[in-house]
Amino acid sequence: GDSVTQMEGPVTLSEEAFLTINCTYTATGYPSLFWYVQYPGEGLQLLLKATKADDKGSNKGFEATYRKETTSFHLEKGSVQVSDSAVYFCALMGSGGSNYKLTFGKGTLLTVNP
Amino acid sequence: ETGVTQTPRHLVMGMTNKKSLKCEQHLGHNAMYWYKQSAKKPLELMFVYSLEERVENNSVPSRFSPECPNSSHLFLHLHTLQPEDSALYLCASSLTQGGGSYNEQFFGPGTRLTVL
Repeated sequence: GDSVTQMEGPVTLSEEAFLTINCTYTATGYPSLFWYVQYPGEGLQLLLKATKADDKGSNKGFEATYRKETTSFHLEKGSVQVSDSAVYFCALMGSGGSNYKLTFGKGTLLTVNP
Repeated sequence: ETGVTQTPRHLVMGMTNKKSLKCEQHLGHNAMYWYKQSAKKPLELMFVYSLEERVENNSVPSRFSPECPNSSHLFLHLHTLQPEDSALYLCASSLTQGGGSYNEQFFGPGTRLTVL
């Protein structure tokens, strides 16, 4: 079945540091890929998405590129802020059958210190 | 109201109580979902309604009973819960074009449930 593996946290950075959170996936066909963010005490917010190979999703300074050859969708940001502190989830939605089903990684807690 | 709303935001209940969680989406979507988020576990999909029909029941115990009266509202009725059911319950919605094609899901803020 489908699966998502993302780097275990927690990740602690200083403000303005470069961020990478690795995400790799296993799926048949051509899944859509997502990053969601969960701020403390809140639900999940869609951060960015990519629906086909080589697509780059971007939002709020975050970027991720759909790499089919390496089955990866790593999240990057050039300069993090304290307000980026949250849990980040990589997820995929399959392309066949029950393709409403989101498969999530376990989440990576990011803490940014001033 | 915009997006996906959930009430209540916090709920404490005893094992013999009956309560209901409510979700409402204001996005014009036609598919709705219940998820359970427990500490140190991946999100678990519980139920899916598409065009007001239940299309997924992911081996959820019968003490959880969903209801989808229309495409904008989703309920989760709770009775005789166990302490291990304490978790954050998230509702989500999305748009289906029909033919098995679904767009991305948008989540509500969740209901933090504590079962004593």
